[in-house]
Formats: sequence, C-alpha cells, structure tokens
Amino acid sequence: DAGITQSPRHKVTETGTPVTLRCHQTENHRYMYWYRQDPGHGLRLIHYSYGVKDTDKGEVSDGYSVSRSKTEDFLLTLESATSSQTSVYFCAISESGRADEAFFGQGTRLTVV
Amino acid sequence: QQPVQSPQAVILREGEDAVINCSSSKALYSVHWYRQKHGEAPVFLMILLKGGEQKGHDKISASFNEKKQQSSLYLTASQLSYSGTYFCGTVGGSNYKLTFGKGTLLTVNP
Repeated sequence: DAGITQSPRHKVTETGTPVTLRCHQTENHRYMYWYRQDPGHGLRLIHYSYGVKDTDKGEVSDGYSVSRSKTEDFLLTLESATSSQTSVYFCAISESGRADEAFFGQGTRLTVV
Repeated sequence: QQPVQSPQAVILREGEDAVINCSSSKALYSVHWYRQKHGEAPVFLMILLKGGEQKGHDKISASFNEKKQQSSLYLTASQLSYSGTYFCGTVGGSNYKLTFGKGTLLTVNP
C-alpha cells in the first residue's frame, strides 16, 4: 500500500472557524490532490500541487486554500468553515500526474455545525 | 469540468456483463478508472493513455477512443466483489488536473 496518511480522520467544527486538514505521503510523489466527495457529485477537485510551493485551483476551490512547503505534506485550509463544506475529503498522490495511478488516502469526514 | 459517466446505476446478476461509459468535452491525455466500496477510498483499476498504452487490472478491460474523447470500462462475468461505485478520471492534454465524473453505482446480486 502507498504511504499516504490523512489527519484528522474525523472532525466536527463550528461555522466560521478555520480548519486545516493534512495529507502526508512517504512516496516522494510530485503530484498531490485534494478532493471532496458529496452524494450525487462524485469526486470534485479542490486544489492540486505539482511540486513544492506549486499549486493550482480545481473545480471547487472557492473557500479553500492550500499550501505545500515540503514534498511530503499538502495542507488544505478552510478559512472560515461553512455548513456547505460538510463533506468527505480525500487526498491523492501520483508520481507523474497523468500517466500513473493515483493513490488515495482514507479520507477525512468533516462536519460543520 | 467533470467528465460525464453513464449509466448512473446498473444492477446485475452474478455472471452478467456490464459496460460503463465516460466522455469528455476536452482533449485528453489519459483516462483513469477507479472503484470505490462504501466507506472506503477509491482504488485504481486501469489507466489508458493517449497513443494506446494501458496499465492496470488484468481481469478488467477498457477502451479509449482518442478522437471522440470517450472511454468504456468492460466488466465481464461479474462477481459479487465487483459491486461498488466506479469513477472515471480524466487528465487533459495541457495540464495535470485529474478530474473525476459523478460515478456509476454497480450492484451485483447473487
């Protein structure tokens, strides 16, 4: 199994508070992705990274920011959480970004109350 | 922009075949297929690259029509373990965004 860990696995937070989710990999893969999964919407790309300090927006980036200061860590921050951001968040990693499989973390279930 | 998958759901009896389709409006470099069981992370099945190369599961087959930007996943002689949600993911020719469709729920009954 690929070495990819998400933390926390579950979190309940209040509306308006900042939240940071962490994705940590031990594979030294260049590409890292954050997705959210909601019923009826499948997996939607939030942000992705193609190297240290190199990131780009996905389809649903509003209200989210990311940072990658070292290869192994990709952080997703909700600046001011809203109930619409209640979701399951998955991190994924890929060696080449387009020609290799992506490995997914186990997901983080976030509830905003 | 998410690729479009069809059908949204399919129910099979064990041993029957199924085809899941995926289409995109943009030029593609690769198409990925994943399966997700309830409460688990998606798991890689296959990748099809522009130019014809394929990598992945040896018991599952798929096709990629580069001209039409369409891919199909073929599940033959289905087993109970094939049940789950299948996602296609696409990467365009000019970037590295891996974008997924909404998924196809496959249920295989005894």
